[in-house]
Amino acid sequence: NAGVMQNPRHLVRRRGQEARLRCSPMKGHSHVYWYRQLPEEGLKFMVYLQKENIIDESGMPKERFSAEFPKEGPSILRIQQVVRGDSAAYFCASSLSRTSPRGETQYFGPGTRLLVL
Amino acid sequence: DQQVKQNSPSLSVQEGRISILNCDYTNSMFDYFLWYKKYPAEGPTFLISISSIKDKNEDGRFTVFLNKSAKHLSLHIVPSQPGDSAVYFCAASAMWYGNKLVFGAGTILRVKS
Repeated sequence: NAGVMQNPRHLVRRRGQEARLRCSPMKGHSHVYWYRQLPEEGLKFMVYLQKENIIDESGMPKERFSAEFPKEGPSILRIQQVVRGDSAAYFCASSLSRTSPRGETQYFGPGTRLLVL
Repeated sequence: DQQVKQNSPSLSVQEGRISILNCDYTNSMFDYFLWYKKYPAEGPTFLISISSIKDKNEDGRFTVFLNKSAKHLSLHIVPSQPGDSAVYFCAASAMWYGNKLVFGAGTILRVKS
């Protein structure tokens, strides 16, 4: 009964490179959320996806960031042309249903720590 | 715009005593509040939640109190144990806001044995 899986756990990129972060939700979960935690700050919502659909991307930076959750395979958060300010911990959470009680049904993965040199 | 604030970056408590973690919010539209616990190198783990129609929710050693008029909530841990040492995040959500969670910056709790 695996929980939310994220890989890689640590990722180092040089400025200008691309970063791809993967998230496999809990078995049976079809809702995925991405959050970013900058140093000394709380987690900040980025995007909410269902299978093959972006439901809410109001927290995503307008440029360089994109997310997808294909019918098969993990959800991907993609950051193009990374800059030092992208260095952060990126957490993925999944839930079974959007209509179930909020919050406690979001189960978090261990995060990917991105470091941009 | 920090809508959820945890003004104490850290708290140190003796084992067996009560730990009280505080959280303030500014958006009166929030109608659901949660506490998450986070160990280093792990993701947040849900602890306890409370709906805005209640003022108290209890689960074992953990109790959350909500004061809507003051826009304030607190998490009480009694008795505190060394294993409770972690970062505690307060989070809020609103029906109009969908399932998004708005987090505070966290409070580091250290329980000394």
